[in-house]
Amino acid sequence: SQQGEEDPQALSIQEGENATMNCSYKTSINNLQWYRQNSGRGLVHLILIRSNEREKHSGRLRVTLDTSKKSSSLLITASRAADTASYFCATVRYGNKLVFGAGTILRVKS
Amino acid sequence: DAMVIQNPRYQVTQFGKPVTLSCSQTLNHNVMYWYQQKSSQAPKLLFHYYDKDFNNEADTPDNFQSRRPNTSFCFLDIRSPGLGDAAMYLCATSRGASGSSSYEQYFGPGTRLTVT
Repeated sequence: SQQGEEDPQALSIQEGENATMNCSYKTSINNLQWYRQNSGRGLVHLILIRSNEREKHSGRLRVTLDTSKKSSSLLITASRAADTASYFCATVRYGNKLVFGAGTILRVKS
Repeated sequence: DAMVIQNPRYQVTQFGKPVTLSCSQTLNHNVMYWYQQKSSQAPKLLFHYYDKDFNNEADTPDNFQSRRPNTSFCFLDIRSPGLGDAAMYLCATSRGASGSSSYEQYFGPGTRLTVT
């Protein structure tokens, strides 16, 4: 079953702007992962943050994790049209089983 | 390039007619997963294999079965597809988790199943 919620459900921004997506979850976790899905395609792993980490960077991506609030955020800086996609957070309680949030649809207008 | 391959990319089947979707990987990962993703929804795990050990999710319908004849291949069998089974089916692989470590999953491009 779905672990949590993401907001916003949809986000539309201009190229060059920053995009922030939030994810909340319900149970304790081992780690949280973010994935991108282009329309009609498979998912691509973006970043993994462990429960004992608070912030992680990868290129233009910045992820934060607040385990006390059971929430995470994904920031994409200087967005590009190619960043248009759906973004999902997924939590791992144990092993490798992912439980996905509902996703945020990001549209970057050029 | 190491990758996860799904065939076919698009599959049309008739109501009640058995269908098999296939997945292969060149990553030599010991865990393989099948997800169902309906339109505008999140992927939902159906089952996974850790090596040859099969793990079914509690709410996966009996209509869905899986086979993993070897490390590289995994199949999803839908015995009697209903209209509600129309969806994107995603295969993924990962290294096996141990202790507190877990790893990212690598997804195939998916098979879009239409039931007529």
